[in-house]
Amino acid sequence: GENVEQHPSTLSVQEGDSAVIKCTYSDSASNYFPWYKQELGKRPQLIIDIRSNVGEKKDQRIAVTLNKTAKHFSLHITETQPEDSAVYFCAALSSGTYKYIFGTGTRLKVLA
Amino acid sequence: DGGITQSPKYLFRKEGQNVTLSCEQNLNHDAMYWYRQDPGQGLRLIYYSQIVNDFQKGDIAEGYSVSREKKESFPLTVTSAQKNPTAFYLCASRGGGGTYNEQFFGPGTRLTVL
Repeated sequence: GENVEQHPSTLSVQEGDSAVIKCTYSDSASNYFPWYKQELGKRPQLIIDIRSNVGEKKDQRIAVTLNKTAKHFSLHITETQPEDSAVYFCAALSSGTYKYIFGTGTRLKVLA
Repeated sequence: DGGITQSPKYLFRKEGQNVTLSCEQNLNHDAMYWYRQDPGQGLRLIYYSQIVNDFQKGDIAEGYSVSREKKESFPLTVTSAQKNPTAFYLCASRGGGGTYNEQFFGPGTRLTVL
């Protein structure tokens, strides 16, 4: 069935270092890949997204890359700051069912 | 913010009771979704609706019911058949036009069974 695997489940980095979170999806009909940041007790907030016809997208310190052949997509955060500490979720949207399948989340901790 | 609201923010239910969670959006979005989130876990899809008067089961629909009589509203009922309903419930809607694929989340309802 449809599945999105996300790794690692926890990630600790020193302030100023980079963080990378990886996801793999199974549904070939997926064509949209958002990344969300969720702070404790709050709703998920979209931080960046990428469509299947694009290989890379960047927004300031955040970038996402997509390898459709391998069904992999990754979130890259550079120059991490303590306020980047949160749980990050990847997701894949199926163009057939319009269901979003979420990864299990990565808890990022940026150490000052 | 985002034009999607959920109420109440906190809800307490006694065992055996049905409760209804409200979700309203003024974004003119056709599609709406309900997710359940358990502590330290990801989002699991309960039900979704692509259009008024139509909805589909998600991955964990057992013990839940929905209706979609109006475009703006997608209430979720947690029935007594849901044996472990304590969780954080998130409603979302999907955009149109240039943000066609983007999901907008409501602030969530935290349900606790007493």
